[in-house]
Formats: sequence, structure tokens, C-alpha cells
Amino acid sequence: ILNVEQSPQSLHVQEGDSTNFTCSFPSSNFYALHWYRWETAKSPEALFVMTLNGDEKKKGRISATLNTKEGYSYLYIKGSQPEDSATYLCARNTGNQFYFGTGTSLTVIP
Amino acid sequence: NAGVTQTPKFQVLKTGQSMTLQCAQDMNHEYMSWYRQDPGMGLRLIHYSVGAGITDQGEVPNGYNVSRSTTEDFPLRLLSAAPSQTSVYFCASSRQSGTGYYGYTFGSGTRLTVV
Repeated sequence: ILNVEQSPQSLHVQEGDSTNFTCSFPSSNFYALHWYRWETAKSPEALFVMTLNGDEKKKGRISATLNTKEGYSYLYIKGSQPEDSATYLCARNTGNQFYFGTGTSLTVIP
Repeated sequence: NAGVTQTPKFQVLKTGQSMTLQCAQDMNHEYMSWYRQDPGMGLRLIHYSVGAGITDQGEVPNGYNVSRSTTEDFPLRLLSAAPSQTSVYFCASSRQSGTGYYGYTFGSGTRLTVV
């Protein structure tokens, strides 16, 4: 994998459903993996920064895991709410440069 | 605490014109960077700086210049605007460079159209 890849590109879920999406990245020269939440007409906001293999982070109903050996991270949202609708970006840091994925666009249907 | 301030929010340029996008942060962040965001492409790094007086190129530096004379400011200059530079530009800063241990704080973006 040469670039940071995110899947799926978009998804629609019903309010109350739990969901997850994937960020895949090259496992070499790894420093950190970031997740951002990007609402329409706003700027991206940092959710998590993870650096160690096996890291798990949680903020309310949102959590993330990291596997640096196989090069992937999962973002989980439990009990999705309409206010969770946003694009979720991941970014891989290789020291001084960040490489962003194209994001997963989540729409939560009331 | 203003965070990262970008100006202007919108700009229309004619091909060949030059302009400077301003970015200022008041968090004493060491690391600052410029990204462009194009449909289907994600955020792509243009230039970055790890401290005052130090700048370096990112993925897509051609047609852009930067300077970092102070910790607070990191302007992006378009030398001779081209339609391919039509994009949304984001400035972002982070507490520490070299490790990625701290998340970015993003500015509100500048929507630039080159006609």
C-alpha cells in the first residue's frame, strides 16, 4: 500500500446503529496515526492520535484501534446519532509529513 | 484564544496574478503546514515548517512559496496563479514536529478560484 486508503468511501446508517470504518497505511516508517472528524463547512477536528501497536483510544461513543504491524486502524461509532454525520479522515505521520486518506463520509439517518 | 486564523476566506484570481494566503496561530505551535483539498484527492501537503526560519516541500509544492519569519505566521504565496490551483486551502499547526504525537489544529480554509 503506497498511500493511506480509507473504506468505505461513504455509508448511510440508521440512528442507533453502530458502525465502523477502516484506514489502511504502509507499515514502514511509521510514527503516528491520526483520526479527524470533518463536518461540512467546518475545519477538520482531531479525534485521536495513536502511536503504538495495539493502541486503543476512546472518546464518548467513538473509539479507535491501531495495528502498526499490518498497517490498519479501525474507527468505531457506537449508537450513531445524526450529529455524528461527517467525513472521518485518517492521516499517517512519517516524521514531518502527514499523508491523509480521502475520508469516509458518514450519514446518520434519523 | 483564536487558534489558527486564515485570510481571506474566499478569493477569485485571474490567471497569472499573484497573491498571498495568510495564516497565523497564537498557540506557540512549532509545526505549521499548508494543504490543498480537491475533490476525490483528499488533503495534500504543499509546504511545511518545523520552526521559524525552516521550511520544506510537501507532496505538491510547485507554484507555491512559503516563508516562516516568526513562529506565529506562515504565509503561502501563489507566484503566478493557474486554473489548476483552484482549490480549498487549509493551514494547520501542531505543537511538535518530527513525531506526529500531537494532532493538527486547522484554520477555516480559503476557497480560491482561478479564472
